[in-house]
Amino acid sequence: DQQVKQNSPSLSVQEGRISILNCDYTNSMFDYFLWYKKYPAEGPTFLISISSIKDKNEDGRFTVFLNKSAKHLSLHIVPSQPGDSAVYFCAASALRETSGSRLTFGEGTQLTVNP
Amino acid sequence: ETGVTQSPTHLIKTRGQQVTLRCSSQSGHNTVSWYQQALGQGPQFIFQYYREEENGRGNFPPRFSGLQFPNYSSELNVNALELDDSALYLCASSLPNLEQYFGPGTRLTVT
Repeated sequence: DQQVKQNSPSLSVQEGRISILNCDYTNSMFDYFLWYKKYPAEGPTFLISISSIKDKNEDGRFTVFLNKSAKHLSLHIVPSQPGDSAVYFCAASALRETSGSRLTFGEGTQLTVNP
Repeated sequence: ETGVTQSPTHLIKTRGQQVTLRCSSQSGHNTVSWYQQALGQGPQFIFQYYREEENGRGNFPPRFSGLQFPNYSSELNVNALELDDSALYLCASSLPNLEQYFGPGTRLTVT
């Protein structure tokens, strides 16, 4: 049962354009969402998060949008840079749970930004 | 500020053996979580420790066990290794219910 799903295994964009990475979830208990970036041979690096009480959060070139009714979130990167090329993971947490803030991850999307 | 560190970087073990992986949490963080990442998949939650107590466990058998020490560093122990245990093991530290910061991982190969 894949509770967090990233349907696009890969995405290729031109430098300077917008990258849009998508994520869907099924568990209505999820109330906190995060995006991580992962380079080969490194651990995931935290990028940006959003609480379910918001529908948008921005940090520099990165913006996350949350549509609770559709159980969908997206990460926008504008403008995209070659250094953004990495695997991007969507993750979700149910902070109201008593069993700790475990993260449930999607399968990841490989983003390639071409110069 | 020191980030999350893990040791060893790589490890090769034989089926049936036991392994211990280590993690030092980021300064000031009292919560450590462990994840298993198989090839081509996202990380899967194994368990979490908060102030030396297990604070949540994922769908992993009892042969996966852990410890957290007073300095908040942590160990992951896996007994009776199976071929399917081959994966990248990630440790993440955090304050409770805040963003988790990951170490570089330990690549375990079981032959």
